[in-house]
Amino acid sequence: KAGVTQTPRYLIKTRGQQVTLSCSPISGHRSVSWYQQTPGQGLQFLFEYFSETQRNKGNFPGRFSGRQFSNSRSEMNVSTLELGDSALYLCASSLTPGRNTEAFFGQGTRLTVV
Amino acid sequence: QQPVQSPQAVILREGEDAVINCSSSKALYSVHWYRQKHGEAPVFLMILLKGGEQKGHEKISASFNEKKQQSSLYLTASQLSYSGTYFCGTANQAGTALIFGKGTTLSVSS
Repeated sequence: KAGVTQTPRYLIKTRGQQVTLSCSPISGHRSVSWYQQTPGQGLQFLFEYFSETQRNKGNFPGRFSGRQFSNSRSEMNVSTLELGDSALYLCASSLTPGRNTEAFFGQGTRLTVV
Repeated sequence: QQPVQSPQAVILREGEDAVINCSSSKALYSVHWYRQKHGEAPVFLMILLKGGEQKGHEKISASFNEKKQQSSLYLTASQLSYSGTYFCGTANQAGTALIFGKGTTLSVSS
C-alpha cells in the first residue's frame, strides 16, 4: 500500500513568486491536513480537508490557500512568497478527519524562499 | 490553542525512563502522540480519546487526565531507537482540527 506522496520534495523560489504543493493521500483516505514545520515552532496547522470541503483553517494569512479534488488529492498554494515562508510543508492523510484516527504523514516539501 | 509540551528536551542513557507531558488550556477531546526522527516524517504512536479509549502501539504507554486537560507519554527502558522529537496533538472538540505542540526532543545514548 503506497504511503502519502508529496511533490515536489524540494523547491527554491524567489520572494514574490507563488508556489503550488501537491499531496496524494493513501488510497481510500478522504481527509487531508497540511502543516508548516519550522525549527522551534513544531507543526503549525494550515488547513484540513474532507471530501473536497475545507473543514478547518489555521491562523495563516490569506496568501495560503488550498483545495481538495474528488480523488482526495490536495494542493496548497502560497502566493507572494516571503522569506519567512521557508519551511517544511507536511501533509497528513487519514480515513476520516484525524482527531479520532491515526494520521499518516508524507515526507514533506522543503520550500526555500530566497 | 497550541498545547504546551514539557520538557523541551531530554537526554537519556539506554535503559533510563522518561516522561513527556502535554497540557492544554481548553477541554480536550483527544490527544495524539507522534514521533519524528531527523529527516523523516512524523509517525503515529498513540491516540487517547475522551472517555478512556486508547489506540496505539503496545510498547508505548500514555495517560490522559481529562479534568486537568493533560496527557503524559511514558518511555520506559529507553532504547537508541527512541531518539527523536515527540509531538503531542490535541483536538478540543469533535469538529476541530488536530493542533500540535512545539515538540520534545529526546536523545538516547549508549
